[in-house]
Amino acid sequence: AQTVTQSQPEMSVQEAETVTLSCTYDTSESDYYLFWYKQPPSRQMILVIRQEAYKQQNATENRFSVNFQKAAKSFSLKISDSQLGDAAMYFCAYRRGGGGADGLTFGKGTHLIIQP
Amino acid sequence: NAGVTQTPKFQVLKTGQSMTLQCAQDMNHNSMYWYRQDPGMGLRLIYYSASEGTTDKGEVPNGYNVSRLNKREFSLRLESAAPSQTSVYFCASHDRNNSPLHFGNGTRLTVT
Repeated sequence: AQTVTQSQPEMSVQEAETVTLSCTYDTSESDYYLFWYKQPPSRQMILVIRQEAYKQQNATENRFSVNFQKAAKSFSLKISDSQLGDAAMYFCAYRRGGGGADGLTFGKGTHLIIQP
Repeated sequence: NAGVTQTPKFQVLKTGQSMTLQCAQDMNHNSMYWYRQDPGMGLRLIYYSASEGTTDKGEVPNGYNVSRLNKREFSLRLESAAPSQTSVYFCASHDRNNSPLHFGNGTRLTVT
């Protein structure tokens, strides 16, 4: 079974600074997808960024980027120029490829605090 | 554009009571999911439905049943609620072409 580990239960960063959230995963598959979801206090689950395992280039979305290290099975999220609205729980998630429908496996989350 | 709609938003039950959580999506997605979220545990998969007419157990299915009523609707039933089922429940859906999951806004359930 696949597992996703987020080793930082909580992180704190000053507004406008850069922060990196860690995620490692364990799988024997070669085809898979990785995601970061944001959950603000509203409870809504918002997709931040996704990465296909077959792509070597790291995904970026505006201030959000990932460092995908396939051999190390590591998928960290970097948030640049942190803003107060970035404060939330962040979940790393894995899904095997091949068009399967057995859902995402989530890490336990990292609570990100933005200090003004 | 409603996306994934869950009802109710909040519910309080007494131990032993039953209830059904409703979920509907208007995106014509094939696959639908029920997750529960507990503090410090992330989201864990209860049941999923790969397509209309099929359902499968996830990581934590005990105490729950599901029905994929049609392509749009996927309900979760608690036959005899227990305090251990106090949680936030999320419904989600996606296409089978590896698109991201789309989530509903969750149901906070308290069992006393």
